[in-house]
Amino acid sequence: GENVGLHLPTLSVQEGDNSIINCAYSNSASDYFIWYKQESGKGPQFIIDIRSNMDKRQGQRVTVLLNKTVKHLSLQIAATQPGDSAVYFCAENYGGSQGNLIFGKGTKLSVKP
Amino acid sequence: DGGITQSPKYLFRKEGQNVTLSCEQNLNHDAMYWYRQDPGQGLRLIYYSQIVNDFQKGDIAEGYSVSREKKESFPLTVTSAQKNPTAFYLCASRGLTSGSTDTQYFGPGTRLTVL
Repeated sequence: GENVGLHLPTLSVQEGDNSIINCAYSNSASDYFIWYKQESGKGPQFIIDIRSNMDKRQGQRVTVLLNKTVKHLSLQIAATQPGDSAVYFCAENYGGSQGNLIFGKGTKLSVKP
Repeated sequence: DGGITQSPKYLFRKEGQNVTLSCEQNLNHDAMYWYRQDPGQGLRLIYYSQIVNDFQKGDIAEGYSVSREKKESFPLTVTSAQKNPTAFYLCASRGLTSGSTDTQYFGPGTRLTVL
């Protein structure tokens, strides 16, 4: 598989526990944020997004929290499963209508059965 | 991976050769992007195209070229001028998710190795 997990922060959790993955974004003018999941050797997969006029958004087993004051984004995964093991990274939209994104380096989530 | 395909999955190139990576989408998206991914780094933008017959350089365009003759296709050529081409290359297209916000969806990637 791809070595996309090298030198990345790692979060190790027990199966069934909740996971929280954090991301600090860089541009206070960014108005749209996305979380992606990337398994080894595969392309990133869209998980959930949030606009800057919201503080919280929930999906299926995932919740994204946005704190614009400190430019912080978090992804919460409930009842983490082995299939959740992957690299997770956030992205911020700095390009307005062009939709250009700045990507974080990612966090490797490892789920222990 | 949705309706975005990339080929080949693995590609080997000898030094001094140009190679072309394919990216096709059937999502009817106007915008398409090429990124490079290296271990321990975030995705870096190579080129992007907002519409057919138009494209712009990203942050690391040197040694790469693209074309956008059709809405569905955005091929990337890695030229011999690219000094360190070994990487994982990702293509993305941008379109609507729920609500009015659009986001980028990725293909499965091409792993390029220079021999």
